[in-house]
Amino acid sequence: KAGVTQTPRYLIKTRGQQVTLSCSPISGHRSVSWYQQTPGQGLQFLFEYFSETQRNKGNFPGRFSGRQFSNSRSEMNVSTLELGDSALYLCASSLGGRTYNEQFFGPGTRLTVL
Amino acid sequence: AQSVTQLGSHVSVSEGALVLLRCNYSSSVPPYLFWYVQYPNQGLQLLLKYTSAATLVKGINGFEAEFKKSETSFHLTKPSAHMSDAAEYFCAATSSGSARQLTFGSGTQLTVLP
Repeated sequence: KAGVTQTPRYLIKTRGQQVTLSCSPISGHRSVSWYQQTPGQGLQFLFEYFSETQRNKGNFPGRFSGRQFSNSRSEMNVSTLELGDSALYLCASSLGGRTYNEQFFGPGTRLTVL
Repeated sequence: AQSVTQLGSHVSVSEGALVLLRCNYSSSVPPYLFWYVQYPNQGLQLLLKYTSAATLVKGINGFEAEFKKSETSFHLTKPSAHMSDAAEYFCAATSSGSARQLTFGSGTQLTVLP
């Protein structure tokens, strides 16, 4: 099975722009979670989507949003980029049931905001 | 609210020596606990997990961890370090059985000296 894929792998944007990141989960996985990783704040949970619905949300401003499509692929969008949004954005997919199912992480998208 | 503390942002060991990475959690409910490893420019890989079964958990690559409720700890050990173990290690916790919203520690960079 192919793993979790994230595109693009690297992205450079300027302040004020917006950006869309994509995550394709493992085939059959219905849950996609997004995390932000920065040197200062570490790994922080952004949100989780399951069956096209946001099921959990972390403590991030409304500039951060996401969606999930019927094929379980997910996108996250960051509007009005700030320098502090520079980070590695990781997505993770899992089967998504009520009981524990392992999350598999993608390689991440490294976003640099200039 | 849950928190995870990793003691020591950098740990150096000699090849063949014992690896001990420390993790303490704070939770009002019994947590699920995880150790992940991250190699440069890659996502997170699950090493092992505690999901309220056996308190001594064995993972991949010879790593193991012991859940100690009285100490609220979940330290990661490996009897003999290998050069390939050099990476960043993250302890994570969740109170949710589905384990899709993880709280991560700040990470420990492990260096293995020849």
